[in-house]
Amino acid sequence: AQTVTQSQPEMSVQEAETVTLSCTYDTSESDYYLFWYKQPPSRQMILVIRQEAYKQQNATENRFSVNFQKAAKSFSLKISDSQLGDAAMYFCAYCYQGAQKLVFGQGTRLTINP
Amino acid sequence: SQTIHQWPATLVQPVGSPLSLECTVEGTSNPNLYWYRQAAGRGLQLLFYSVGIGQISSEVPQNLSASRPQDRQFILSSKKLLLSDSGFYLCAWRRDRVSTEAFFGQGTRLTVV
Repeated sequence: AQTVTQSQPEMSVQEAETVTLSCTYDTSESDYYLFWYKQPPSRQMILVIRQEAYKQQNATENRFSVNFQKAAKSFSLKISDSQLGDAAMYFCAYCYQGAQKLVFGQGTRLTINP
Repeated sequence: SQTIHQWPATLVQPVGSPLSLECTVEGTSNPNLYWYRQAAGRGLQLLFYSVGIGQISSEVPQNLSASRPQDRQFILSSKKLLLSDSGFYLCAWRRDRVSTEAFFGQGTRLTVV
């Protein structure tokens, strides 16, 4: 069964600093996708970034980038130049090609200290 | 562009009362639709998903049920609410199994008293 593990229930970082959120997953599939979602206090789930497993290049979206280590089944999110608006719950998610549903991790609560 | 609407945003219901939460998607056809529940400060629990009209898959035995009477409409229901049904309910959609990311509604905060 596919599982997604976020080992850091909470993280904090100083404003303008860089923080890395960890995610590992377990799968026997070769073609799959990974995502990071952000859930701010409004609780709206927002897609931050996605990574296709067949792509070796790490995805980036402005201040957000991932470190995708396929062999290690690791998918970490790096947030550079942290801003107060980055404070949120962050969820890592996985699905394989053709899957009917996404599998989510338990989330990491990120606090930004001014 | 596609949009997803979920209502109501907040609901307070007494124990034993019925429940109906509605979710609709605009701007796409034949979406995959999902209902998730999130307990306070916790992760997402998939409750139901649907790949077509009248097709409902249940992930966890619940006091809840789901229905999809129209292509872009997904309803979460209960005949008699329990205290344990309190939580934050999120509806989501995906275009189909090829397009992989899910897009979420704004959620419903349900408090059963």
